[in-house]
Formats: sequence, structure tokens, C-alpha cells
Amino acid sequence: NAGVTQTPKFQVLKTGQSMTLQCAQDMNHEYMSWYRQDPGMGLRLIHYSVGAGITDQGEVPNGYNVSRSTTEDFPLRLLSAAPSQTSVYFCASSEGGSNEKLFFGSGTQLSVL
Amino acid sequence: QQQVKQSPQSLIVQKGGIPIINCAYENTAFDYFPWYQQFPGKGPALLIAIRPDVSEKKEGRFTISFNKSAKQFSLHIMDSQPGDSATYFCAASSKETSGSRLTFGEGTQLTVNP
Repeated sequence: NAGVTQTPKFQVLKTGQSMTLQCAQDMNHEYMSWYRQDPGMGLRLIHYSVGAGITDQGEVPNGYNVSRSTTEDFPLRLLSAAPSQTSVYFCASSEGGSNEKLFFGSGTQLSVL
Repeated sequence: QQQVKQSPQSLIVQKGGIPIINCAYENTAFDYFPWYQQFPGKGPALLIAIRPDVSEKKEGRFTISFNKSAKQFSLHIMDSQPGDSATYFCAASSKETSGSRLTFGEGTQLTVNP
């Protein structure tokens, strides 16, 4: 099992560009989520999904879109990148229900110039 | 608005010391309190977790202490080792958000000197 796989590992964008961060899991987990990590702010939830076709907003959703067409994949789209979106992005998955353990990917470091 | 407050921001101890990291929460609906450990360049990984029906949980050298009335919980690392140097995050979730959403603290960067 690869677990949670995120691509790319590093990305540099110019202000206004768009891109998609990819996330895939091979554990058949129902729940998937995206967090951003910023110094001194911990991890903040951007969007989450409790199953294929179901998504919802987290704490900091502005400027990001998600979709969940399959159980395995949960891409995060930046519509028009801004310097405030410079961050490290983590995708996570969990079984849901009584098992709340989150499995995280290794992250994508994004810089917006 | 941080619903889970974590302190200290950074901590340096000598090998064998007992670092203690504290967290406080506001939402009384929270009923699951995990700690995650993160090494540089890696994603966080679950270290230990507790539910409010117990006041303490031990797993190896790691112990969570939980005080429901004070809405506080803490992580103690016994006999700390240089390999424990990492960033530690406390977190919380409620039955409503179970498995889908965690609210994280700000993180504590722990350094254990040899």
C-alpha cells in the first residue's frame, strides 16, 4: 500500500495562475480532506469529503475548489493563485466512523510569487 | 479564531528530560483528542489519542493527561531522546465531525539535545 500520495512535492506559481494539487489514496477510505500548514497556525482545514460525490467547506475554503468523483482521488484546485496561498498543503484520509485516525500525505510546498 | 490553543511554541530539553506540551480547547462538544507528530519534510502521523472518559493514557514513553473540567490536555514524553525531535500538534474533533475534520493547535517544535 502506498497510503496517501500527493503530487507535486514542490510548485512555484505566479500570481493569477491556476493549478491542481493531486491526492490519491489506496486504502479505500471514505473520508478525505485538505489542510494547509502555515508557521504558528498549525494545520487548517480547507475542504473535506465524506464520500464520492460529497464535498464541503472547511475553515479556510476561499480561493480553492475540490471535487470527489472517485473514492481514491481528491484533487485541490487553486483558481487564481495569490501570494497568501503560499503554504504547505497536506491531503489526508481516514476510514471514518469510529476509526478517526488520519493518514497524511507527504505534502506539497507551494510558493506563489 | 483558534479553538484549540497549544503551548509552548517551541521547547528544548536535554536527553532524558520530560517535555510537556499543553493544549486547551473551548468547544465542549469535542470528544476525541489526538496528538500528531511531524518530522521535517513529512506529513503528520498519529502518535496517541484519548477520549474524555479517561483522565490518562500511556503508550510507551508517551502519555496524555486529560482534564475535562478545565478543558485541557497535555502530552508528556518520558525519557526523551534526540529522535523525538519533531513538531507536535494537538487536535480535537466532535462526534459531528468524526473522522472528517480535526481542529489542530498551533504546533510545538521540540528539540531534544544529546
